[in-house]
Amino acid sequence: EVVLTQSPGTLSLSPGERATLSCRASQSLSNNYLAWYQQKPGQAPRLLIFGISSRATGIPDRFSGSGSGTDFTLTISRLEPEDSAVYYCQQYSNSLYSFGQGTKLEIK
Amino acid sequence: QIQLVQSGAEVKKPGASVSVSCKATGYPFTSSGFNWVRQAPGQGLEWMGWISGYNGHTQYAQNLQGRVTMTRDTSTSTLYMELRSLRSGDTAVYYCARGERGAFDVWGQGAMVTVSS
Repeated sequence: EVVLTQSPGTLSLSPGERATLSCRASQSLSNNYLAWYQQKPGQAPRLLIFGISSRATGIPDRFSGSGSGTDFTLTISRLEPEDSAVYYCQQYSNSLYSFGQGTKLEIK
Repeated sequence: QIQLVQSGAEVKKPGASVSVSCKATGYPFTSSGFNWVRQAPGQGLEWMGWISGYNGHTQYAQNLQGRVTMTRDTSTSTLYMELRSLRSGDTAVYYCARGERGAFDVWGQGAMVTVSS
């Protein structure tokens, strides 16, 4: 089973700044099935990025994903107040899925 | 446009079973795989398992093997997740989600299951 570790646990930034969220896998993801989600309180998660770097439908280009192997990054440029949420990475390999523990992003 | 609509909240006693349903509309049901994900209060997301809309094949998370069963009814485009021998640690919001290209692109609204004596 692939374990995903996200860092930092909490990130506090101001509007207009850039956020960099990290996700590290316990083994290499050779199939590129790495996704990112945004979850706000009381809501279901929303898919942001799939296949490491492809934006889901309707996701603004301020959100971008990158990485390979075991190290992946979600970058949110030009932060807006509504970006305040918990962000999760997720992988799929060998017919099993797993999520990271999440990064809480606070907008000051 | 695909939508997943789940059944309502449940309160169960320890040791009981719960069944949560998820009805898919707006998309060919048998063309997709579907997943169940749960989230305990204040905690992260936990993948529970997957079921093929096409042939009903399943894959469960190892920690739930033997307690969970996922089925589907193609005539009504509805998924079902049954969890048995409930304990307090099963208290969570349970989500169904469509799986595409290794990610979950459409989610149900969630169903709260509370296990309490």
